[in-house]
Amino acid sequence: AIRMTQSPSSLSASTGDRVTITCRASQGISSYLAWYQQKPGKAPKLLIYAASTLQSGVPSRFSGSGSGTDFTLTISCLQSEDFATYYCQQYYSYPLTFGQGTKVEIK
Amino acid sequence: QVQLVQSGAEVKKPGASVKVSCKASGYTFTSYAMHWVRQAPGQRLEWMGWINAGNGNTKYSQKFQGRVTITRDTSASTAYMELSSLRSEDTAVYYCARWFDFWSGSIYAGSAFDIWGQGTMVTVSS
Repeated sequence: AIRMTQSPSSLSASTGDRVTITCRASQGISSYLAWYQQKPGKAPKLLIYAASTLQSGVPSRFSGSGSGTDFTLTISCLQSEDFATYYCQQYYSYPLTFGQGTKVEIK
Repeated sequence: QVQLVQSGAEVKKPGASVKVSCKASGYTFTSYAMHWVRQAPGQRLEWMGWINAGNGNTKYSQKFQGRVTITRDTSASTAYMELSSLRSEDTAVYYCARWFDFWSGSIYAGSAFDIWGQGTMVTVSS
């Protein structure tokens, strides 16, 4: 199985900050990567697919980049509603696998 | 609107089985694959398997092979996930999620879980 590793596991930031989360795959996955946001007690919400394509309705302050093994999710100007846990997920091969998550907390 | 509504929380004893349902509405159920993903407390999301809602074909994670069965009832637009031989480590929130393929014209543009159920808490305890 492809192992997905995110860093950092958690971070503290203030509203208005620029935040970057990285995701590394244990082998190349081309651009077969999605990002999700999850708030406590809620289901994940799709943010980005194909590594860099923004899902409809997702604010443009979210962006994704990368291919192969290294990917990033950037929030350009953190808003209060962005405090959540973020997961990357590869769909290059089965079993589908997720990163361990990055919790974005209020500083 | 497009939504997935799951059945309610369950409490089971070790060794028992649990069957969780996921009712789809707002779209043609048989046109999309339905996946099941679970999340143990404080843990990452874990993929369990999926069903082609059109023809009923399934694929399971090797981790759950032999213990998980995913089925669907097209007349009710509902998918089911049954997990047997439950143990304490199976305590988790179980989600169904629709797998969506994105297209740019006739060019494949990517895929992802675009719609998720609200989750079903399954607690395994003696």
